[in-house]
Amino acid sequence: DAKTTQPPSMDCAEGRAANLPCNHSTISGNEYVYWYRQIHSQGPQYIIHGLKNNETNEMASLIITEDRKSSTLILPHATLRDTAVYYCIVRVRGSSNTGKLIFGQGTTLQVKP
Amino acid sequence: DARVTQTPRDKVTEMGQEVTMRCQPILGHNTVFWYRQTMMQGLELLAYFRNRAPLDDSGMPKDRFSAEMPDATLATLKIQPSEPRDSAVYFCASGFDREFLNEQFFGPGTRLTVL
Repeated sequence: DAKTTQPPSMDCAEGRAANLPCNHSTISGNEYVYWYRQIHSQGPQYIIHGLKNNETNEMASLIITEDRKSSTLILPHATLRDTAVYYCIVRVRGSSNTGKLIFGQGTTLQVKP
Repeated sequence: DARVTQTPRDKVTEMGQEVTMRCQPILGHNTVFWYRQTMMQGLELLAYFRNRAPLDDSGMPKDRFSAEMPDATLATLKIQPSEPRDSAVYFCASGFDREFLNEQFFGPGTRLTVL
């Protein structure tokens, strides 16, 4: 699976959009981008995933560049409860890889009042 | 609201003792994962099961760790004998894999301290 690079930490003002970048320059055509987050002392939580089209759900939006070498997770109106470590993960979809996630160090997002 | 449950939530034990951690996946999920999280190594996948069969346990120290699924509602992770370096938070996650598993649901974790 392709490696990802994320900034170690970011701050965001409450109510503003939080834009979390992720570089995955070695991504291959059959690899998807997944985002999870981990709020302090809790298990990780799935946020969103995508292949090449932008995706949106009730939690966030995922913007993937046309060359797929980077992506951005957008939390449109960050709240204090969004303070967490955000993990960007790239993995292949295939029968031999039924769900294996390789977590990196992630980005610690601090939402400030 | 269906959740993954893990017991115990906290465990303190002495070096050399056996430790058993239990996980109840969400009803209907057919894939179960065990992860370990430490400050130094972050989140590491130890093992995972699909339809109760082990698919990959390459991340697990074989000499002291074992993972099993006695039935579809119970997954266990055992450490025997335990060592101080096993101190970590152990997470269980489950998901439903029909064609492909997109979302894993994580439990609250078991915080293990080996003295």
